[in-house]
Amino acid sequence: SYELTQPPSVSVSPGQTVRITCSGDALPKKYAYWYQQKSGQAPVVVIYEDKKRPSDIPERFSGSTSGTMATLTIRGAQVEDEGDYYCYSTDISGDLGVFGGGTKVTVL
Amino acid sequence: EGQLVESGGGLVQPGGSLKLSCTASGFSFSGFAVHWVRQASGKGLEWIGRIRIKSNEYATSYSESVKGRFTISRDDSRNTASLYMSNLKTEDTAVYFCRLGFDPWGQGALVTVSA
Repeated sequence: SYELTQPPSVSVSPGQTVRITCSGDALPKKYAYWYQQKSGQAPVVVIYEDKKRPSDIPERFSGSTSGTMATLTIRGAQVEDEGDYYCYSTDISGDLGVFGGGTKVTVL
Repeated sequence: EGQLVESGGGLVQPGGSLKLSCTASGFSFSGFAVHWVRQASGKGLEWIGRIRIKSNEYATSYSESVKGRFTISRDDSRNTASLYMSNLKTEDTAVYFCRLGFDPWGQGALVTVSA
């Protein structure tokens, strides 16, 4: 079955830049989405279609792709950015969705 | 502002059935696929299935973990999608979310499968 691979955790100091990677064989042909989930809450999209940012998401969030890897970058991380981040995409057929295992971001 | 609301969660015995509903308000429900995602306590997100829109013949697809046991349907006239779960197993215990397109998500409904 198709998989997306993320690092389990990353930490960053306030105001610094953190990058979260997501690797998957179909990513050159399928969009990546990034979701932020805080404890006890539903996920919220922070990046869609590889690099688009919803209007209510701070500009410090950006997305990029290169080959089989998608990257979420948080420039100038804030304490409120702590949470779990999941990448999402589909298999090459577009029929099956898949999430990465999630990356816990700690800002300290 | 638009929102999705799930309902129908609860406690069910192994081998039993349960139906979750996802009702949308404030946006164009019929123009987007509806996805169901679950999350076991302390675990990551797991995509379990989706139903496409009318022009895509309401095509459905499911993850291997639920295929043959779960069925997704939708009623665009009521802005509602449903997840019918049968032959439930203890490992199906999770919070179940519906998602419209890639966003927004509902608040989640807890399903507990236990004797």
